[in-house]
Amino acid sequence: DAGVIQSPRHEVTEMGQEVTLRCKPISGHDYLFWYRQTMMRGLELLIYFNNNVPIDDSGMPEDRFSAKMPNASFSTLKIQPSEPRDSAVYFCASSPETGPQETQYFGPGTRLLVL
Amino acid sequence: DQQVKQNSPSLSVQEGRISILNCDYTNSMFDYFLWYKKYPAEGPTFLISISSIKDKNEDGRFTVFLNKSAKHLSLHIVPSQPGDSAVYFCAATYVYGQNFVFGPGTRLSVLP
Repeated sequence: DAGVIQSPRHEVTEMGQEVTLRCKPISGHDYLFWYRQTMMRGLELLIYFNNNVPIDDSGMPEDRFSAKMPNASFSTLKIQPSEPRDSAVYFCASSPETGPQETQYFGPGTRLLVL
Repeated sequence: DQQVKQNSPSLSVQEGRISILNCDYTNSMFDYFLWYKKYPAEGPTFLISISSIKDKNEDGRFTVFLNKSAKHLSLHIVPSQPGDSAVYFCAATYVYGQNFVFGPGTRLSVLP
């Protein structure tokens, strides 16, 4: 299996622009997670989906952030408008729907820089 | 308020010696803990886990110890190798939960 795929790997944009990050989870995994990594706060969970349905979005920082999962093989995280403080590495992870022994499998991340 | 803390941002160890990475948590409801390792430009990868019904779990050179009364866990790497140089994240969750809470990470450098 190719693992979790994220695109783009790097994104540089100007403040105020819309940014869309993409994720393809591992086939057969029913859970999908979006994380953000910063120096100050480490790895933070933004939102996660189960069977394409958002379960917990309490980590989404504000209304500028939105996430969708239109089908089992694709998810997007959108930031509109982007701000310099959104600069971070954004990870997508997926997990099978089983018990606690199942871990999350992370993609390589998207490094976002907002100027 | 961080529920999972890793108070050492970095740690340097000589090759062949023991590396000890520490993690503290505040939520007594957590009952399953994991360690992830992250290399630069890659996503975190699962390393080892432990359930709260145990106080120790071992996998090769890696051992995780859990002290529930102190809400503390530690990862021991023996012997440390240069390839172990990475950022290590501690994570906590509930037995039937999927929401992992990660600590901020500790950067381990193993010096040859």
